[in-house]
Amino acid sequence: DGGITQSPKYLFRKEGQNVTLSCEQNLNHDAMYWYRQDPGQGLRLIYYSQIVNDFQKGDIAEGYSVSREKKESFPLTVTSAQKNPTAFYLCASSKAPGETGNTIYFGEGSWLTVV
Amino acid sequence: KNEVEQSPQNLTAQEGEFITINCSYSVGISALHWLQQHPGGGIVSLFMLSSGKKKHGRLIATINIQEKHSSLHITASHPRDSAVYICAVSSDGGTSYGKLTFGQGTILTVHP
Repeated sequence: DGGITQSPKYLFRKEGQNVTLSCEQNLNHDAMYWYRQDPGQGLRLIYYSQIVNDFQKGDIAEGYSVSREKKESFPLTVTSAQKNPTAFYLCASSKAPGETGNTIYFGEGSWLTVV
Repeated sequence: KNEVEQSPQNLTAQEGEFITINCSYSVGISALHWLQQHPGGGIVSLFMLSSGKKKHGRLIATINIQEKHSSLHITASHPRDSAVYICAVSSDGGTSYGKLTFGQGTILTVHP
């Protein structure tokens, strides 16, 4: 079945370390996204990519980096510069504008805790 | 003030009740999404609306563009409907489905 796979599900990081969250999709979607969710707050967009080898900052990109070398993969690195990285991270992909049907698909998320 | 406001924040219902969750937004939008988040964290897209009304099973979503308001209705609610329901809007002129601004979510609990 087509879908989005995020890994790991749970990750513990020591302060000062970089960590990379994986996101893979087999839906043949051009666009992919990373969001962050904090308790009691709505999701916020970190980075997005509408095509391979191109990506754009979202609303809260500071302290994060991404790459988009392959259509199916959009890894997110949480760097040591991110002041408060403990959160739930969601990856998504979407159809091209104008396509009909279910337009956006989400992964199961990754819980990152700084210890 | 948030650009997307949902009400209520928490909703408790008895099985079989008709449920309404409301979403108001303050920006011009190209589309509005209703999403469902289960306790494990995964999110499923329920509807994408740009006008009018959509129905899928026991779920109905409506939008009033002039009033900048949308509602999600659940008829004959069931305990398996218990989840967080999230309203999100796209205001980038339709260039990307996923560049969204999200509401804080409504926690729905349906008791048997």
